[in-house]
Order: sequence, then structure tokens, then C-alpha cells
Amino acid sequence: EAGVTQSPTHLIKTRGQQATLRCSPISGHTSVYWYQQALGLGLQFLLWYDEGEERNRGNFPPRFSGRQFPNYSSELNVNALELEDSALYLCASSPGRVRNTGELFFGEGSRLTVL
Amino acid sequence: SQQGEEDPQALSIQEGENATMNCSYKTSINNLQWYRQNSGRGLVHLILIRSNEREKHSGRLRVTLDTSKKSSSLLITASRAADTASYFCATDRSGGGADGLTFGKGTHLIIQP
Repeated sequence: EAGVTQSPTHLIKTRGQQATLRCSPISGHTSVYWYQQALGLGLQFLLWYDEGEERNRGNFPPRFSGRQFPNYSSELNVNALELEDSALYLCASSPGRVRNTGELFFGEGSRLTVL
Repeated sequence: SQQGEEDPQALSIQEGENATMNCSYKTSINNLQWYRQNSGRGLVHLILIRSNEREKHSGRLRVTLDTSKKSSSLLITASRAADTASYFCATDRSGGGADGLTFGKGTHLIIQP
């Protein structure tokens, strides 16, 4: 069974540009979470989607946004990129609000570098 | 903001020794989890302990939870070179994913051959 897949693996952008990151959850999982892992800051919760709806977001500005598609895959968009957005962006999935056991299944991440 | 704080930040031991990492957190929780991350890759779930449990085992892993002290510990016995990684504790306040998981900054474990 395929795990959580993320693309692209690496992405290089310049300040002010937009970045789009993609995530496909494990088959049958309806919840997708996005985390930012910047150097020295640990993992910071960004967004939670479940069954197509944004259910919660972390303490990030509105230029961080995303969506979840009918097939439960998800997209994270970062507008007006700043240097401090350089980080590893991790996507995780879980079975969903009702069947959630608490454990998250992570992808390998997308490393965004902003120059 | 960080909920969990791991201690120590870095740990270097000889292969075969036991490694102990600690985690402290601030608010009430539904469960606490430990994850491993190899060199900037994705996180792998190791073990979950619920707030009404005090100890849990999985292979060479032993996790304890003290809710009165808001702390947990992860013990890896008979360490191997392949255990070299960063280890994160994560707290789940709601148990249903509503708040996501709140991670600490991790303990970087190095196993010397």
C-alpha cells in the first residue's frame, strides 16, 4: 500500500513568488495535515483538512493557504514568499475525524528554498 | 507555539547502550506520541500512549507518561547505529485531530559504532 506522497521533493523560488506543494494521502484517509519544519523551530502546525473542508489552521499569515480535493489529495499554496519561508513542508494523513486513532502518517516532505 | 520540550537536545552514546529522552508539556492531553525523523526526511510514528496509561512497550522501546508532572520519557534499549535520528514527542489535546499534533523541537540521537 502506498504511503503519503508529496511533490515536488525540492523547490527553489525567489522572494515574492508563489509556491505550490502537493500531497496525496494514504488510500482511505480523509484527513490531511500540513506542517512547516524550519531550521531550529521544530514542527509547526499549518493546516488541517478533512473531507474537503479546512478544519483548523495554525498561527500562520493568510498567505499560507490550501485546499483539499474530492479525492482527498491536498495542495498548499504560499504566496508572496519570504526568506523565512524556507523550510521542509511535511504533509501527514490520518483516517479522518471519526476513525482517527491519533497517529499521523507522514510523507517525505517538500523542501522549499527561497532566495 | 511548542507544547512539548524534549531533553536533552542532543545525545551521543555507544552502540549497545540504552538511550533515554525526556519530554515535558504544558496542557492537558488526550495522548502523547513519539516520532523518529532520519536526516530531514519524513517522520515515522513509533508509539502512542494515552493519558490513562502509565507505561507502554514496543520492541526495544519503552515509554512512560506521568500526567501529574506533565512529562514522558522514551527509552531505547540496546541501541544500534540505525537508531541514529531525531526523536520528537507530540501531544494530542483532543484525540480527534482537531488541533493537530503539537511537536517539541526534538532530541538528536547519535549512536557511535
